[in-house]
Amino acid sequence: GENVEQHPSTLSVQEGDSAVIKCTYSDSASNYFPWYKQELGKRPQLIIDIRSNVGEKKDQRIAVTLNKTAKHFSLHITETQPEDSAVYFCAATPSGGSYIPTFGRGTSLIVHP
Amino acid sequence: NAGVTQTPKFQVLKTGQSMTLQCAQDMNHNSMYWYRQDPGMGLRLIYYSASEGTTDKGEVPNGYNVSRLNKREFSLRLESAAPSQTSVYFCASSERQGREKLFFGSGTQLSVL
Repeated sequence: GENVEQHPSTLSVQEGDSAVIKCTYSDSASNYFPWYKQELGKRPQLIIDIRSNVGEKKDQRIAVTLNKTAKHFSLHITETQPEDSAVYFCAATPSGGSYIPTFGRGTSLIVHP
Repeated sequence: NAGVTQTPKFQVLKTGQSMTLQCAQDMNHNSMYWYRQDPGMGLRLIYYSASEGTTDKGEVPNGYNVSRLNKREFSLRLESAAPSQTSVYFCASSERQGREKLFFGSGTQLSVL
């Protein structure tokens, strides 16, 4: 089955800095890669996703890049703000079989004012 | 449009007690999922239902059963609760299995004493 590794587990930055969270996956057949943000005590919510036919996708201050050859994808947050503080989860979804996403273990991002 | 509704929000059980977590979605989604979230472990899939009338085991199904009552509702049952089942449980749904974003419920915090 798919295996997703996510790093770092904790990331502490100053407001205004950039933050990068990296994930690797094992199944070369995976073709859908969502990122979820979970604020403290809240439900996970999708913030951005990318499919394997695209190398990069941006939405305002967040971007995701995908390297299918190396089997890794990353979340980039620029000009971080305190409200970006949350746990971020990456996931990889295979293109066949059960189509069930496998999640990384999460990154706790702390943005200091 | 409520999205995904989960009940209860909190529950305390004694070892050996049983309970059912309820989940309903009003988005006409085909697929529904139950996850558990433990510190440092990310989101682990317990059971899923690709469509009405079908259910399948996920990564951590032992000690749980599910029922897809109709297209809207997907319940999770703990027949004999154990302390290892202390966790936060999330129900989720998606339009199609795995290939679209997941919509999560607000979660159930379960403690088994």
